[in-house]
Amino acid sequence: GQNIDQPTEMTATEGAIVQINCTYQTSGFNGLFWYQQHAGEAPTFLSYNVLDGLEEKGRFSSFLSRSKGYSYLLLKELQMKDSASYLCAVRDSNYQLIWGAGTKLIIKP
Amino acid sequence: GAVVSQHPSRVICKSGTSVKIECRSLDFQATTMFWYRQFPKKSLMLMATSNEGSKATYEQGVEKDKFLINHASLTLSTLTVTSAHPEDSSFYICSASLGGGGNQPQHFGDGTRLSIL
Repeated sequence: GQNIDQPTEMTATEGAIVQINCTYQTSGFNGLFWYQQHAGEAPTFLSYNVLDGLEEKGRFSSFLSRSKGYSYLLLKELQMKDSASYLCAVRDSNYQLIWGAGTKLIIKP
Repeated sequence: GAVVSQHPSRVICKSGTSVKIECRSLDFQATTMFWYRQFPKKSLMLMATSNEGSKATYEQGVEKDKFLINHASLTLSTLTVTSAHPEDSSFYICSASLGGGGNQPQHFGDGTRLSIL
């Protein structure tokens, strides 16, 4: 079966750095997406990785290792508004998105 | 760019009522739109893939006669929850992508919170 694993919840301090991991086992691979979802709102797109390596976009970076079936989202200089759930999703060989359950990130002052 | 509008944002209605939710791509044409359901503190659950001009593809376990999907144009897909019951109460979200290459993300509407009394 297809599976995406992420930690359920993480806590970090304002101004610090946090890394949210995602491991996947899917039938084929056509890219990995990270989304941010604030409570009661729809997800918003953060990043896309299809090749191995690091993609940096401002305070957020995303890393992919296809051989390990592994990705992480790195958030720097954390702000209170970064408190949200972060969803990892993989596009499989049929171009269908397989979603992780999301990681709830709690930022403390 | 790539704005998706979903309406209404919230619906509260009596059991037995049918509810229609609209999903529009405002600044692009979406051959394919997706309908998701999300329970509190749970991940997105894909209900169906809506294809313009053809029948929707439903995920296993989703009743097609219960959740009617119509994708009559390249910018509009609708989900109708027929004869809604309290167990249908949930957060429904639509999304659309620009299509083409696999690097196109899905862009989400703001979601519809459905409460059936």
